Amino acid sequence: DGGITQSPKYLFRKEGQNVTLSCEQNLNHDAMYWYRQDPGQGLRLIYYSQIVNDFQKGDIAEGYSVSREKKESFPLTVTSAQKNPTAFYLCASSTPQAGTIYNEQFFGPGTRLTVL
Amino acid sequence: KQEVTQIPAALSVPEGENLVLNCSFTDSAIYNLQWFRQDPGKGLTSLLLIQSSQREQTSGRLNASLDKSSGRSTLYIAASQPGDSATYLCAVRLVSGGYNKLIFGAGTRLAVHP
Repeated sequence: DGGITQSPKYLFRKEGQNVTLSCEQNLNHDAMYWYRQDPGQGLRLIYYSQIVNDFQKGDIAEGYSVSREKKESFPLTVTSAQKNPTAFYLCASSTPQAGTIYNEQFFGPGTRLTVL
Repeated sequence: KQEVTQIPAALSVPEGENLVLNCSFTDSAIYNLQWFRQDPGKGLTSLLLIQSSQREQTSGRLNASLDKSSGRSTLYIAASQPGDSATYLCAVRLVSGGYNKLIFGAGTRLAVHP
């Protein structure tokens, strides 16, 4: 089955630790995205990547880092510099912009991160 | 700056009712608009996508309309069922400098009771 997987489903972090959230897709999509969702708020874009070895900051990139070494994978690291990391994190992917009309984003099941 | 607002924030209806969820956006220069469903603790499932040149899209009991000039979209759910209970999110897609960015509303939390 084609889709997006995120792991782990739940993650607990102690203050001062860096943690990495995994996102893998087998949809052959070029673009991948990371969003953060807080209660009562819409999703906010953290980072996005249009192609391998390239990524751009979104609206709330401070305290986060990403890499895109493979087309299928876009891991997100939440660093100790992120002051309020407790949230629900969602990964998404989409077909490339060029040459397409229908570039719908597809989402993974999410990872809930809690800082202890 | 594009802002997306969804009204109401929460809605509780009896089974069988037809209902309308509203989404408004401040900048009409959108590429398309997408409606999603989110169950508690889960990811987003795409329901309907309307291109900026379209007026509406339909899928089963769902109908979404788009009035780009007035910055509004509505999601119409016919004959609601308890299984429709979820949070519904709308998002507008901006295209600038070759990237594709979604701006989300905060969602409408729908409860359909038997």
